[in-house]
Amino acid sequence: AQKVTQAQTEISVVEKEDVTLDCVYETRDTTYYLFWYKQPPSGELVFLIRRNSFDEQNEISGRYSWNFQKSTSSFNFTITASQVVDSAVYFCALGDNAGNMLTFGGGTRLMVKP
Amino acid sequence: DTGVSQDPRHKITKRGQNVTFRCDPISEHNRLYWYRQTLGQGPEFLTYFQNEAQLEKSRLLSDRFSAERPKGSFSTLEIQRTEQGDSAMYLCASSLGVGEQFFGPGTRLTVL
Repeated sequence: AQKVTQAQTEISVVEKEDVTLDCVYETRDTTYYLFWYKQPPSGELVFLIRRNSFDEQNEISGRYSWNFQKSTSSFNFTITASQVVDSAVYFCALGDNAGNMLTFGGGTRLMVKP
Repeated sequence: DTGVSQDPRHKITKRGQNVTFRCDPISEHNRLYWYRQTLGQGPEFLTYFQNEAQLEKSRLLSDRFSAERPKGSFSTLEIQRTEQGDSAMYLCASSLGVGEQFFGPGTRLTVL
């Protein structure tokens, strides 16, 4: 069975602080996909990133960066210089070997205060 | 607007009634997914289609839930004999093959 754990249910930071959201996953598949989605107060899930299990390169996109470590089954997400607009619930998800059925973690609510 | 659309956005029904939700995927996307999200939780996978074929339906929550995608375009999710426990946000997503899944705004169901 696949499982995603986001141990941090809620994080509060002050604007401009860096923040890391943790994600730990469990799977028996050798090929799998990892995702991060953002769910702002408006409610619609916004895709942020997808990585496959064979690509362990870290990725940076503007203020966002992702650290994939297969050895620890983790796929952590860092926001640098956080902004109030980053306030949202962030979900980590694990896709099966065909990338179809996503198993989501419970989400981390990030509050960025001015 | 070329994103995933869902209709209705909100549905209030009485226990025991049947409800049907519609999802229109991004036009060139051949895969369509249904998820359910309850308050404070992450989305939970229900079923998915590749074109008109329903390739996974074992995760549908009970035999009261069914989904169709008759022409490989839009899809419907039906819940028969609704129960209060069915109250949730029902999300639809689409993708082009094994690509990132783009989600619609969801249909919020309230069962009284």
